[in-house]
Amino acid sequence: NAGVMQNPRHLVRRRGQEARLRCSPMKGHSHVYWYRQLPEEGLKFMVYLQKENIIDESGMPKERFSAEFPKEGPSILRIQQVVRGDSAAYFCASSASGTDNEKLFFGSGTQLSVL
Amino acid sequence: GNSVTQMEGPVTLSEEAFLTINCTYTATGYPSLFWYVQYPGEGLQLLLKATKADDKGSNKGFEATYRKETTSFHLEKGSVQVSDSAVYFCALRTGFQKLVFGTGTRLLVSP
Repeated sequence: NAGVMQNPRHLVRRRGQEARLRCSPMKGHSHVYWYRQLPEEGLKFMVYLQKENIIDESGMPKERFSAEFPKEGPSILRIQQVVRGDSAAYFCASSASGTDNEKLFFGSGTQLSVL
Repeated sequence: GNSVTQMEGPVTLSEEAFLTINCTYTATGYPSLFWYVQYPGEGLQLLLKATKADDKGSNKGFEATYRKETTSFHLEKGSVQVSDSAVYFCALRTGFQKLVFGTGTRLLVSP
């Protein structure tokens, strides 16, 4: 049973390009969470999605960032017109039912570098 | 606001040494507290947790006690192994499945 899969592991983009980060949750999990770790900071919550729905996006920057979790396929975190300040490690986590006491399973992250 | 402060790393120890990684927090209310571990090339894994004051979480020889009076959740292990080398993250849960993490502390254990 594969864990949470994120790809790519490393992504390099030039300023102004688009970045697409993918997350395939564990088999049977329908709840996905995205976290971002900026340099020298802790991981910070960005968005919580259930299949085809955004449940909580209170941690998402208001512009350029979007997330989706379609009925089929992985969850996508999309960053348009990237800037140097977007350089960070982006982690995805998943859970089966989304109840508060349930364990989260994390992927190994995507390291985004913006040149 | 809610925040977690961890001791800076790396922490370098010899095998069988005693480990302490300090963690303090600031939060409104009574958060649940967690330690996560990230081994090289892998995702974060839950190591242990405590949900109320004076609770002790333990797993794989690691322990941490929820201290409300000092707002701390220090991680300890009596005798570390080379295989414990990893990055350790302290975290608190502020709301529905929302975690606030510290910056992580890298532990390096040499034979």
